[in-house]
Amino acid sequence: GAGVSQSPSNKVTEKGKDVELRCDPISGHTALYWYRQSLGQGLEFLIYFQGNSAPDKSGLPSDRFSAERTGGSVSTLTIQRTQQEDSAVYLCASSLAPVREYEQYFGPGTRLTVT
Amino acid sequence: GQQVMQIPQYQHVQEGEDFTTYCNSSTTLSNIQWYKQRPGGHPVFLIQLVKSGEVKKQKRLTFQFGEAKKNSSLHITATQTTDVGTYFCAGPQAGGTSYGKLTFGQGTILTVHP
Repeated sequence: GAGVSQSPSNKVTEKGKDVELRCDPISGHTALYWYRQSLGQGLEFLIYFQGNSAPDKSGLPSDRFSAERTGGSVSTLTIQRTQQEDSAVYLCASSLAPVREYEQYFGPGTRLTVT
Repeated sequence: GQQVMQIPQYQHVQEGEDFTTYCNSSTTLSNIQWYKQRPGGHPVFLIQLVKSGEVKKQKRLTFQFGEAKKNSSLHITATQTTDVGTYFCAGPQAGGTSYGKLTFGQGTILTVHP
């Protein structure tokens, strides 16, 4: 079956521009996560959506970052006024239910480069 | 906040040698998950451990969860070049208010020389 998909796969943008990253989770997965991975580093939690509950935004690094999930499916991560330190791979993952019980399935990521 | 530390950060082995990575949490974990990320790829789930002292095996891979549920290890016997990648442990904080937040260790990068 189809896995988690993300678009675009690569994005190069100029400093100060806004970008939108898209994630299509696996059908039926109620939980959706965004992570950031800098070169050679671990995964930094950004935000988590579970069903209709309020998202856990505790990992968003600044108010330039926001995310929404429409209709309990597709999610968009928006970065406003991008900075060079925002350059990283942004990974989306989904799971059947809260991560305590189920594994996460990761998408291929969007590689963001801010010039 | 919760911290999950992994050691070593890097491990270089000759093909056929064993490999172990260790994961330590600053807080008790309700469960621990392990993921593998191949170079240029995305993390892929390997296994989840839930019970104190649990040991699980997948072919040449052996996973352990500590008695106190604050540490875990992954051991690979007789490494192969296909084992190359970064191995991450991850766990939610037991009793935490956010059921979704998974804290990842920084990973152990394994290289295998043929």
